[in-house]
Amino acid sequence: EAGVVQSPRYKIIEKKQPVAFWCNPISGHNTLYWYLQNLGQGPELLIRYENEEAVDDSQLPKDRFSAERLKGVDSTLKIQPAELGDSAVYLCASGADSADTQYFGPGTRLTVL
Amino acid sequence: AQSVSQHNHHVILSEAASLELGCNYSYGGTVNLFWYVQYPGQHLQLLLKYFSGDPLVKGIKGFEAEFIKSKFSFNLRKPSVQWSDTAEYFCAVNPYNQGGKLIFGQGTELSVKP
Repeated sequence: EAGVVQSPRYKIIEKKQPVAFWCNPISGHNTLYWYLQNLGQGPELLIRYENEEAVDDSQLPKDRFSAERLKGVDSTLKIQPAELGDSAVYLCASGADSADTQYFGPGTRLTVL
Repeated sequence: AQSVSQHNHHVILSEAASLELGCNYSYGGTVNLFWYVQYPGQHLQLLLKYFSGDPLVKGIKGFEAEFIKSKFSFNLRKPSVQWSDTAEYFCAVNPYNQGGKLIFGQGTELSVKP
């Protein structure tokens, strides 16, 4: 069974540029999460989806971050414009439902110059 | 604020030594508890989890953890580490009324010398 797929794995951009990350969860998983992991820290939840509905986006900085999960499968996370402080690893995870174990993807390492 | 604290940032052990990594959380209600591991160059993987029942849970690769409710702790243990256990270990808490939200500790880097 394929795991959570994320792309790109690495992204380098200049500040003020837009950037987007893509996540394909494990087949059949209804719940999808985006986490942010800064260097030397544990992941922090940005947004949680149940199917196509964002049920917890309280930690998402909505002035520059947006996310969508059309059709309740793949998801994209966008930053516009990116700031230096956005340099981090962006992780996607999925679970069969919100009570299920979360399975993590490899992450996208973003560097903002 | 809800938080998870891991006592050690970096632990260095020799092979065959015993391991205990501390984890404490601040949340008064019911929680689910997890330990995740990230091997070099790999993604986060579940090591073990506690939802209910026996507070001593066993995971993969000989790891176990004990939930002590009165101490708000969920320490990870392994009687004899191997070089292949070199990795970063994250404790995480899921407060029962917050859907699947995981609150992670800052991680402990374990280095095992051959």
